[in-house]
Amino acid sequence: SAVISQKPSRDICQRGTSLTIQCQVDSQVTMMFWYRQQPGQSLTLIATANQGSEATYESGFVIDKFPISRPNLTFSTLTVSNMSPEDSSIYLCSVLQASVGELFFGEGSRLTVL
Amino acid sequence: AQSVAQPEDQVNVAEGNPLTVKCTYSVSGNPYLFWYVQYPNRGLQFLLKYITGDNLVKGSYGFEAEFNKSQTSFHLKKPSALVSDSALYFCAVRDLQRGNTPLVFGKGTRLSVIA
Repeated sequence: SAVISQKPSRDICQRGTSLTIQCQVDSQVTMMFWYRQQPGQSLTLIATANQGSEATYESGFVIDKFPISRPNLTFSTLTVSNMSPEDSSIYLCSVLQASVGELFFGEGSRLTVL
Repeated sequence: AQSVAQPEDQVNVAEGNPLTVKCTYSVSGNPYLFWYVQYPNRGLQFLLKYITGDNLVKGSYGFEAEFNKSQTSFHLKKPSALVSDSALYFCAVRDLQRGNTPLVFGKGTRLSVIA
């Protein structure tokens, strides 16, 4: 199984600032995804992080607000820009290990915006 | 479009009793079904999956799930609940016809096992 490390694990941020979350995988994976889990809610897909090209965003999410980088097959970042209290969520990195058809998740990054 | 429904927000069960957490799905092609568990302040952990084959799938921690195509369901079950099973459970689906697409998750069901 893939081992995924996310940093930071949690942070408290001020309104209007931006924060970048890092996701490191211990093996090369083709498909990496970023999910958001708002308090008491399910997981919502933000975007698919594509290696070497722009991320593919789901409806309701835009690049200006959630810029994503994917410089190689083991690393990705998600930036939450110009944060507001509504952005307080857990942000989860996940990877699809195609050989076993399973989606693995990082521990998540819990952001609180004041 | 893919979708998952978990009709119960909360399931309460006494320790030692059997438990069921319900899930129904909708996909245009053949489903690829998962159950994940989330403990407090933790990420999601994989429990089990169904692709093809036997309709009864066995997974981690004594959990199992039964795929029922006619009812488009994939209910999670355990014969004897433990207090340590108390957590948030998510059902998820992917449409096999659409290749390597991300999972769509249900809203989650909070399981509370009472000693």
